[in-house]
Amino acid sequence: DAGITQSPRYKITETGRQVTLMCHQTWSHSYMFWYRQDLGHGLRLIYYSAAADITDKGEVPDGYVVSRSKTENFPLTLESATRSQTSVYFCASSPSTGGYTEAFFGQGTRLTVV
Amino acid sequence: GESVGLHLPTLSVQEGDNSIINCAYSNSASDYFIWYKQESGKGPQFIIDIRSNMDKRQGQRVTVLLNKTVKHLSLQIAATQPGDSAVYFCAEKSGGADGLTFGKGTHLIIQP
Repeated sequence: DAGITQSPRYKITETGRQVTLMCHQTWSHSYMFWYRQDLGHGLRLIYYSAAADITDKGEVPDGYVVSRSKTENFPLTLESATRSQTSVYFCASSPSTGGYTEAFFGQGTRLTVV
Repeated sequence: GESVGLHLPTLSVQEGDNSIINCAYSNSASDYFIWYKQESGKGPQFIIDIRSNMDKRQGQRVTVLLNKTVKHLSLQIAATQPGDSAVYFCAEKSGGADGLTFGKGTHLIIQP
């Protein structure tokens, strides 16, 4: 199906492990985003990308790495997972942010760090 | 602190009644606002948006009101249905910003 898909949907990993969350969109949207959602904090922006090979930090980037070699993919890597990174992660895409357009969200990845 | 927030974490309404969900924002430079609906286990889903040059915008059964004077946003849902049960988030951005700033969310509960 067209749209934005995240994988895996659920992941359990151990403290200190590296883990990568995948995001793929079929709309050819320029912008892609990673948010994390925690109780009491709503959604917070981790990283975003304006186009292939262009990425920038959001509100809570520490401990995360992103890349965007292709327009359609925007993987998020936790280099050394910590328990505080247990969260639900949402990827989103948007045709632009300079204009007034909404972001379209994936289904989320629930990550548990033990 | 949060730029955008919601007054009530939980709102319980009778089926068929109208629901009003409120949101306050503090960034006077914000010029674009969106309401999202999030059902359990799913990602946020766009409901309606409004730009700062408007006071009101209507969609199907939903209306968003923007009061820039007091930096207040509301979402009205007419004739609330069981399928409206979800968490509702307001989000905002200013024209030059990248990414949206979200409030903490309001859980709308529909009573039969």
